[in-house]
Amino acid sequence: NAGVTQTPKFRVLKTGQSMTLLCAQDMNHEYMYWYRQDPGMGLRLIHYSVGEGTTAKGEVPDGYNVSRLKKQNFLLGLESAAPSQTSVYFCASKKKGTETEAFFGQGTRLTVV
Amino acid sequence: GQQVMQIPQYQHVQEGEDFTTYCNSSTTLSNIQWYKQRPGGHPVFLIQLVKSGEVKKQKRLTFQFGEAKKNSSLHITATQTTDVGTYFCADPLNAGGTSYGKLTFGQGTILTVHP
Repeated sequence: NAGVTQTPKFRVLKTGQSMTLLCAQDMNHEYMYWYRQDPGMGLRLIHYSVGEGTTAKGEVPDGYNVSRLKKQNFLLGLESAAPSQTSVYFCASKKKGTETEAFFGQGTRLTVV
Repeated sequence: GQQVMQIPQYQHVQEGEDFTTYCNSSTTLSNIQWYKQRPGGHPVFLIQLVKSGEVKKQKRLTFQFGEAKKNSSLHITATQTTDVGTYFCADPLNAGGTSYGKLTFGQGTILTVHP
């Protein structure tokens, strides 16, 4: 049981380049999330999904797009990377409901130069 | 929008001292969760509080949920170097009930323990 798997773990992009971060979970969870973590800023929600084919904006969605074509996968896309998107990105998933715990992936460290 | 405010941002203690972090909300929370993130790691679930005035213990960790369900605290007794990391509270409902599934975190408290 792998839990939540993120790929890649590290990436360096040039300004203007695009990339997709992949999150996969094998726990059949309905809810999935993308967060970014910056020093002193905690975990900020980018986008989230409550089910296959549905997505919603979080606190800091600008510059990112997401897709949830399959229940087990949640993709985060950067169409034109900017240095301000240098961060550590975490994916998380949880079962439907408010009284369920979230499981996090190991994180992706992204640097935009 | 709804935010859970967490204080302090940083806490430095000597090994053996106690530590407390607090979360406060301007609106009533349905429940609150606590997570720990070790340096270089990812957040890991610790516990969930649901009932008004609830107190739960995990060895040296004591979690409390306020009577009005607007605040919560995590207290560590006699800290050890293994306690270092960032402690987050999280609101799994986003009070108001209109954004189900949304999971919002407090800013976190970074704990360092000096041996």
